[in-house]
Amino acid sequence: QVQLVQSGAEVKKPGSSVRVACTSSGGTLRNIPINWLRQAPGQGPEWMGGIVPLFSSTNYAQKFQGRVTFSADESTNTAYMELRSLRSEDTAVYFCARPFGMDAFDVWGQGTLVTVSS
Amino acid sequence: DIHMTQSPSSLSASVGDRVTITCRASQSISNYLNWYQQKPGKAPKLLVYAASSLQSGVPSRFRGGGSGTDFTLTISSLQPEDFATYFCQQSSSSPFTFGQGTKLE
Repeated sequence: QVQLVQSGAEVKKPGSSVRVACTSSGGTLRNIPINWLRQAPGQGPEWMGGIVPLFSSTNYAQKFQGRVTFSADESTNTAYMELRSLRSEDTAVYFCARPFGMDAFDVWGQGTLVTVSS
Repeated sequence: DIHMTQSPSSLSASVGDRVTITCRASQSISNYLNWYQQKPGKAPKLLVYAASSLQSGVPSRFRGGGSGTDFTLTISSLQPEDFATYFCQQSSSSPFTFGQGTKLE
């Protein structure tokens, strides 16, 4: 059974970058499309996009185009999300998740809190 | 982008009650509608996908319905563990979008 385990909380300065890791256990990452979402306090989740490691293909939500990069390291079964030019509004819990069927997300990482503050 | 509107934003109920949460899409999404339950400090948990299909392991007291633009999530008899926040999500077109949530308390 696939489980997704994320890296720990981060505190970043405005203008800097953050990279969040998502490691798959119980399944080869190569075969698992990984999507990234974030959730600001008191709000619903927000979809950022996804990566299919098997094809090295990515799909970014237009809102984040040019500021985010998804990547994957099959040797360590780890996917990464890098967000650049951070601002206070990027403070949120970031999740990786596996889509299935009609793009419902059935497996989620535990979440990584990213705090952007001067 | 497709905008998802949930109602109510909060709902007061008791154990044993039957409750219904509604979700409306700003345009037709066929049956590309999913429901999640989220408890504080946890990731969302998938309850219902494709509008009415119950995810494996989810109790049968949860039922999803609707198509097009109007959808419902019904909990037939509330249990103590059901007090949480519920979100709908459309997966008809990118970017996938979520409702703002319904807090059941």
